[in-house]
Amino acid sequence: DAGVTQSPTHLIKTRGQQVTLRCSPISGHKSVSWYQQVLGQGPQFIFQYYEKEERGRGNFPDRFSARQFPNYSSELNVNALLLGDSALYLCASSPDNAVAGNTIYFGEGSWLTVV
Amino acid sequence: GIQVEQSPPDLILQEGANSTLRCNFSDSVNNLQWFHQNPWGQLINLFYIPSGTKQNGRLSATTVATERYSLLYISSSQTTDSGVYFCAVENTGFQKLVFGTGTRLLVSP
Repeated sequence: DAGVTQSPTHLIKTRGQQVTLRCSPISGHKSVSWYQQVLGQGPQFIFQYYEKEERGRGNFPDRFSARQFPNYSSELNVNALLLGDSALYLCASSPDNAVAGNTIYFGEGSWLTVV
Repeated sequence: GIQVEQSPPDLILQEGANSTLRCNFSDSVNNLQWFHQNPWGQLINLFYIPSGTKQNGRLSATTVATERYSLLYISSSQTTDSGVYFCAVENTGFQKLVFGTGTRLLVSP
């Protein structure tokens, strides 16, 4: 089975632009989460979605938004890009919304550079 | 929020050596996972281990939940073990992993 897949793998945007990143979870997984990893740091939680509803949100500005589709895939949108948004954006999936007993799997990420 | 600290921050080993990585966390957790991040950025899941001991080949992990720490053991290290090792925990009731500071491992031939 395919793992968590993300697209695009690399992209360069200009300050002020908008970007959309896409994620397909592992087949059968219904929960998708997004993380931002700035160079030299650990990943930071942005959102979790389950059954198309937002279940958790991290400490990120309203410029960050996401949604989940009926097929459980997800998009992360970032508006009005800042230089500080340059990072690796990671998508993760897990089978359901339970916390205990659920292993979370990560995709290869989307490298975003804002110039 | 919960704090997660890892030690050592950096580790250099000769191929074949053994090592122990430590993760301390400040509160009780529902989930604890160990990840290896390769040079291309992918986070590879090593263990789901909120308590107890698990082994997978040359790697093993132990979590003592009552004392709020976890250990990752790497035996007979190989150059392909190089990368950053993260411990991540969850204690909010939804699937928000809080990552530690990471241990950067370099295994030289």
